[in-house]
Amino acid sequence: QKEVEQDPGPLSVPEGAIVSLNCTYSNSAFQYFMWYRQYSRKGPELLMYTYSSGNKEDGRFTAQVDKSSKYISLFIRDSQPSDSATYLCAMRPYSGAGSYQLTFGKGTKLSVIP
Amino acid sequence: DVKVTQSSRYLVKRTGEKVFLECVQDMDHENMFWYRQDPGLGLRLIYFSYDVKMKEKGDIPEGYSVSREKKERFSLILESASTNQTSMYLCASSFRGPGTEAFFGQGTRLTVV
Repeated sequence: QKEVEQDPGPLSVPEGAIVSLNCTYSNSAFQYFMWYRQYSRKGPELLMYTYSSGNKEDGRFTAQVDKSSKYISLFIRDSQPSDSATYLCAMRPYSGAGSYQLTFGKGTKLSVIP
Repeated sequence: DVKVTQSSRYLVKRTGEKVFLECVQDMDHENMFWYRQDPGLGLRLIYFSYDVKMKEKGDIPEGYSVSREKKERFSLILESASTNQTSMYLCASSFRGPGTEAFFGQGTRLTVV
């Protein structure tokens, strides 16, 4: 079983839709969870960052972490064509082996159709 | 503003050439990373460095080496480029402390012919 599983899509939605992107993971030591957005032929940019369980909201974006289920989500409200990109989840433990580096999902490609 | 700069956006090299990819960060980060990104395989860690002159192998170090002589600069070296090293290469950096996020450069698209 891979450490982080993410549906690659592609996911295509109409403009204005609510988008739900998800990752599951197997390593219970993961404590920090991030979402990156990557436009075509560009580097990933940090979108959301959460610690442990709970929700975090930033404008149209909400990140959720459910550590009991080892499941994280990113919700995009009122989706726009400019949200079309690949979304990568990433996570790391608090300390110990592997704490220097992020473990990434493979990314979900999202297209928002005008 | 956070900045990680990779020296080239696009590179074309011949098989057997020695290739240098340079990365500079201006955030005084201790950690620096080199990844490659391929369709269907996602991001894979090649090497990382947690301090000057220190390096650790990632998941796919074969065929690569790195150099970190200064805190702000991390170089990836392809000793003898091969066609299977055609890929998008991404540099990233972060602070050393727990839970710190990584910031990425814009990527270098390397084609080996």
